Amino acid sequence: QSALTQPASVSGSPGQSITISCTGTSSDIGAYNYVSWYQQLPGKAPKVMIYEVSNRPSGVSNRFSGSKSGNTASLTISGLQAEDEADYYCSSYTTSVVFGGGTKLTVL
Amino acid sequence: QVQLVESGGGVVQPGRSLRLSCAASGFTFSRYGMHWVRQAPGKGLEWVAVISYDGSKKHYGDSVKGRSTISRDNSKNTLYLQMNSLRAEDTAVYYCAKDRDSYSDYWGQGTLVTVSS
Repeated sequence: QSALTQPASVSGSPGQSITISCTGTSSDIGAYNYVSWYQQLPGKAPKVMIYEVSNRPSGVSNRFSGSKSGNTASLTISGLQAEDEADYYCSSYTTSVVFGGGTKLTVL
Repeated sequence: QVQLVESGGGVVQPGRSLRLSCAASGFTFSRYGMHWVRQAPGKGLEWVAVISYDGSKKHYGDSVKGRSTISRDNSKNTLYLQMNSLRAEDTAVYYCAKDRDSYSDYWGQGTLVTVSS
């Protein structure tokens, strides 16, 4: 399976909203609602922020939301905070797993 | 609380083998599938392999297929990854992660494997 496509970087100012896209195919993102998003702080393990397109695990801020349209999923972070600066990865889980290339979020 | 602790990483010469371990605690290990995911220095996440809760089903990423074997010992709450014929491009931090069918809810802190002569 080919990697999902994410922008290499996005940026925003504190308080603003940003959206990270994740494009796959009709065999992965388009086929199932098994899209998840992970936040990775420098030197740390990934942490799930969104699962099954739009569900937030307990403890994750409601500033994080997810959606999907066709073969493209999106992660939106509203009310941007300095602590949100990290790498973000989308993923599609089927029989195998495929990740996006990652997006570096910079909070200006 | 859920804990996943990887071990077994280190420096290994090209062509040699290495076995990674992941010790699990804080949940009923035998009820969940488990993944290995790796991350080369400065690069993104790459899925390596998954094993079902009972070890009966295994799937591998193309980059390690035929060279690696995922296994588990539910009596020891431990996940393994046997890697053979190691190459420079296998250099990465290897994470184990707990499976929830559609995502991974817990990840270990990783163990670094460096393949170099």
